[in-house]
Amino acid sequence: EDQVTQSPEALRLQEGESSSLNCSYTVSGLRGLFWYRQDPGKGPEFLFTLYSAGEEKEKERLKATLTKKESFLHITAPKPEDSATYLCAVQAMGSGGYNKLIFGAGTRLAVHP
Amino acid sequence: GAVVSQHPSRVICKSGTSVKIECRSLDFQATTMFWYRQFPKKSLMLMATSNEGSKATYEQGVEKDKFLINHASLTLSTLTVTSAHPEDSSFYICSARDDFGELQPQHFGDGTRLSIL
Repeated sequence: EDQVTQSPEALRLQEGESSSLNCSYTVSGLRGLFWYRQDPGKGPEFLFTLYSAGEEKEKERLKATLTKKESFLHITAPKPEDSATYLCAVQAMGSGGYNKLIFGAGTRLAVHP
Repeated sequence: GAVVSQHPSRVICKSGTSVKIECRSLDFQATTMFWYRQFPKKSLMLMATSNEGSKATYEQGVEKDKFLINHASLTLSTLTVTSAHPEDSSFYICSARDDFGELQPQHFGDGTRLSIL
């Protein structure tokens, strides 16, 4: 069964304290792994797509990496505005043959000044 | 670019009422749109895949007659929660994927908070 597991469930950081979020997955034939940011009461905001092991993507203080079993979202010198829930999702084959995203439960990040 | 608009953002209504939620892709065409449900502090659960010009594909356990989906154009999908009851109260989110490529990311609306009294 296709599955996505994120850890930790919640993370509290001091401003400037770098850390990493983990997303481990089991899927039959990975077609893409996606990272999203979700603020309270809002829909997810797209951050990165990773397609193959060894691939890396960067955006400001965020860097996403991918291996055959997991992905990491590295946050360098975070600021309070980076506080959000970070969601990981993998693309798999859904009912009727259509691609669908399977989401992890997310990591709630709180960055304190 | 890649903006998805979802309306309304919040609905409060009495039990037995039917509620329609709209999802529009503003600057791209989307043959395929998706409807999700999210419970507090939980992740997104796919309810159905909406396909322009054909019937929606529902995930296992989702009642087709309860959650009616219409995808009448390349930029609009609607979800109607029929005869809503308190257990249908939730955060509903739609997404759309640009037709340009199969591995394009899904872009999400800002969700609809549905509260059934």
